[in-house]
Amino acid sequence: DAGVTQSPTHLIKTRGQQVTLRCSPKSGHDTVSWYQQALGQGPQFIFQYYEEEERQRGNFPDRFSGHQFPNYSSELNVNALLLGDSALYLCASSLADGTYEQYFGPGTRLTVT
Amino acid sequence: AQTVTQSQPEMSVQEAETVTLSCTYDTSESDYYLFWYKQPPSRQMILVIRQEAYKQQNATENRFSVNFQKAAKSFSLKISDSQLGDAAMYFCAYKGAGAGSYQLTFGKGTKLSVIP
Repeated sequence: DAGVTQSPTHLIKTRGQQVTLRCSPKSGHDTVSWYQQALGQGPQFIFQYYEEEERQRGNFPDRFSGHQFPNYSSELNVNALLLGDSALYLCASSLADGTYEQYFGPGTRLTVT
Repeated sequence: AQTVTQSQPEMSVQEAETVTLSCTYDTSESDYYLFWYKQPPSRQMILVIRQEAYKQQNATENRFSVNFQKAAKSFSLKISDSQLGDAAMYFCAYKGAGAGSYQLTFGKGTKLSVIP
């Protein structure tokens, strides 16, 4: 049973650039959530996608956007990168009814220089 | 807005001993879920245990158990017979059970060290 996968593992970008991170959910899951985890902090919720639409969003600027594909995989896009966007980006998948726990991928470490 | 507080940034325990990690939360909701996640140096967040607020019985998973005190809004994790592989960051997380409650709210974590 394949778990949640994310790519790439690490990424280095320059301030002002744009980045796309990718996530494939656990088999059988249809909902994908994205979290940002700064060094030494707990994860912060960015948004959740279900049925190819964003259905809840955390306190993040519009520079953060996403997409969900018909196969339930998802992308996180960040435009106009800032130094403060350097973090571990975690993807989590779950079932749509929200009654079950979220399963996390290994994360993408983004460094903005 | 819900908040989750973990007041112990770091804890240590001798191998084979028992340790308790603390977590408190603030919410106005009556029904919700609470979780403990483990994040080893490999970075992958692993679910340790889950508790539904409507259940009075404390959840248990092998060596891991919780002490859920709803009135006090407290949710501590007890690890018995600690093993070297238990060394990790532990995060307490909250999720509402109402319609439109999809996000997990995390505490800042507790770093657990296991001493051989």
